[in-house]
Amino acid sequence: GAVVSQHPSRVICKSGTSVKIECRSLDFQATTMFWYRQFPKQSLMLMATSNEGSKATYEQGVEKDKFLINHASLTLSTLTVTSAHPEDSSFYICSTPRGGAGGYTFGSGTRLTVV
Amino acid sequence: LAKTTQPISMDSYEGQEVNITCSHNNIATNDYITWYQQFPSQGPRFIIQGYKTKVTNEVASLFIPADRKSSTLSLPRVSLSDTAVYYCLVEEGSNDYKLSFGAGTTVTVRA
Repeated sequence: GAVVSQHPSRVICKSGTSVKIECRSLDFQATTMFWYRQFPKQSLMLMATSNEGSKATYEQGVEKDKFLINHASLTLSTLTVTSAHPEDSSFYICSTPRGGAGGYTFGSGTRLTVV
Repeated sequence: LAKTTQPISMDSYEGQEVNITCSHNNIATNDYITWYQQFPSQGPRFIIQGYKTKVTNEVASLFIPADRKSSTLSLPRVSLSDTAVYYCLVEEGSNDYKLSFGAGTTVTVRA
């Protein structure tokens, strides 16, 4: 149980274009979704928190107009990297609480490469 | 947020037991201790969670002393596939609790 499906697993895009990353909760309802970014050899850094039906809250230093988060349903949250630049190249991961089981479940991650 | 401290790296050999100790001196009464495993280019995976004493599942054991200021993750009889980064986190029970990841412990298992 508590599986989060994240797509795509990897994407290459040109500078200036936008990329959408999806995270779907397969067998449960994800009221809250956390989005992380991880650079090579570094730990996960929280970017933003989304709650179904409300605006996402962003961590300090994360541009909300660049990283658009939509959490319109209890089973789908999306992160759109707008006007991507090479410095946005990173590993993006979503996560949501496992509920009664304790802890959090994570998506498999999306490797974004901007060229 | 309770800060955690764990070793940067550990080496082991196949078949050995690996114990990773994490310090969380400022843990609050409502906090749980959770460990995650991350392989390269994958999202972290939940391993085990505990509040006090000992918790065991099919993958690992978690030992937490009475003062709860530290915890030890025990991986029995590791194999090469256990080579990964292991993160110790302190979590509240609320669904909107923001996790704060440290550097984790890179465990390398050699043949």
